[in-house]
Amino acid sequence: AQRVTQPEKLLSVFKGAPVELKCNYSYSGSPELFWYVQYSRQRLQLLLRHISRESIKGFTADLNKGETSFHLKKPFAQEEDSAMYYCALREQGGSEKLVFGKGTKLTVNP
Amino acid sequence: SQTIHQWPATLVQPVGSPLSLECTVEGTSNPNLYWYRQAAGRGLQLLFYSVGIGQISSEVPQNLSASRPQDRQFILSSKKLLLSDSGFYLCAWSVNLRSEKLFFGSGTQLSVL
Repeated sequence: AQRVTQPEKLLSVFKGAPVELKCNYSYSGSPELFWYVQYSRQRLQLLLRHISRESIKGFTADLNKGETSFHLKKPFAQEEDSAMYYCALREQGGSEKLVFGKGTKLTVNP
Repeated sequence: SQTIHQWPATLVQPVGSPLSLECTVEGTSNPNLYWYRQAAGRGLQLLFYSVGIGQISSEVPQNLSASRPQDRQFILSSKKLLLSDSGFYLCAWSVNLRSEKLFFGSGTQLSVL
């Protein structure tokens, strides 16, 4: 069963516009959620984690347990934000490994 | 500092041929090691992970196997490749399973023809 769902495979916005990359999860326990990013010709890397409540490169993500969502948001997109974004869930107990969504390719147009 | 090396970067193999992808980590001891596959339209799928030498956990049934002959070496293998094995393979490491921060290799693009 799909535990992390990113409903948009592709997302295109204009520079300066707000952007929201959606992520929904399915997990009965207390989840830990993350966003990973892969810029062109770079390695996949951690962008932010929900427990730290941080803003990285202008991006924020709030865990909404009621809606089981962890959407990634930025008020004003920049061209350099164009990348592949993956939402990930860590299952607690057992292996506690990371489970990734299918990813969303964000393109920010000039 | 820690680094992760993965090779080859690209590989074209005929159906039925064997496969061996290698991943090594430097600058850390007893890392957790992972093999992911990034197949078209299917996102990032965990194939195997290892918490120590000789300890391999498989996440999905498949035509592939993994081995960890040394602490910082992780190998992905197949005896006979299938067309469906094509994809982008990523090796990653973390300090431990509780660590949310995975460090990824540069990947191997495998095309099975």
